[in-house]
Amino acid sequence: QKEVEQNSGPLSVPEGAIASLNCTYSDRGSQSFFWYRQYSGKSPELIMSIYSNGDKEDGRFTAQLNKASQYVSLLIRDSQPSDSATYLCAAVSSGSARQLTFGSGTQLTVLP
Amino acid sequence: DVKVTQSSRYLVKRTGEKVFLECVQDMDHENMFWYRQDPGLGLRLIYFSYDVKMKEKGDIPEGYSVSREKKERFSLILESASTNQTSMYLCASTPTRIGNEQFFGPGTRLTVL
Repeated sequence: QKEVEQNSGPLSVPEGAIASLNCTYSDRGSQSFFWYRQYSGKSPELIMSIYSNGDKEDGRFTAQLNKASQYVSLLIRDSQPSDSATYLCAAVSSGSARQLTFGSGTQLTVLP
Repeated sequence: DVKVTQSSRYLVKRTGEKVFLECVQDMDHENMFWYRQDPGLGLRLIYFSYDVKMKEKGDIPEGYSVSREKKERFSLILESASTNQTSMYLCASTPTRIGNEQFFGPGTRLTVL
């Protein structure tokens, strides 16, 4: 069973701080990774994708990938109360089905 | 914009009833997925389909079946609903077989009494 593990939190940070969300995966053959944001009662929406080792920045969001350590992270700079949500990490399996495996999510609260 | 719609936002059924959850996408995507989401367990894949009339089991297919008669529509069927199938059901689609962004529908909150 391929797994994606996340710290479930909850994680609380003050407004303006950096929020750091972490994820590890067990399938060493995984090549594609995604971060989804899910507001309470809503469906997940993609905020970042990363395929290569290193950092990828998009506005206030930075995704980091380390394939040797099988580790993916998401940094949110200048956190806002509107960032309060559950963040889901997902990895594409290396098998023929190429399905997404999701972590259970980290609940983030940004305090005003 | 890709649009994935689901037939109901909220549904209440009784134990033993046959339940149909419908999902429609309007972007000609080949691949469609059904997940259930439960607190602490995250998103779990029930079934997926890469083409019309094609289906493959995900991680938790027991108690469910699916139908894909048209490319845009993927139905999840609970043959005999049970209380442990009370959950949020999410449909998703993606244009390519190789892992790519999945677009989610709004979800159906199913309660089985």
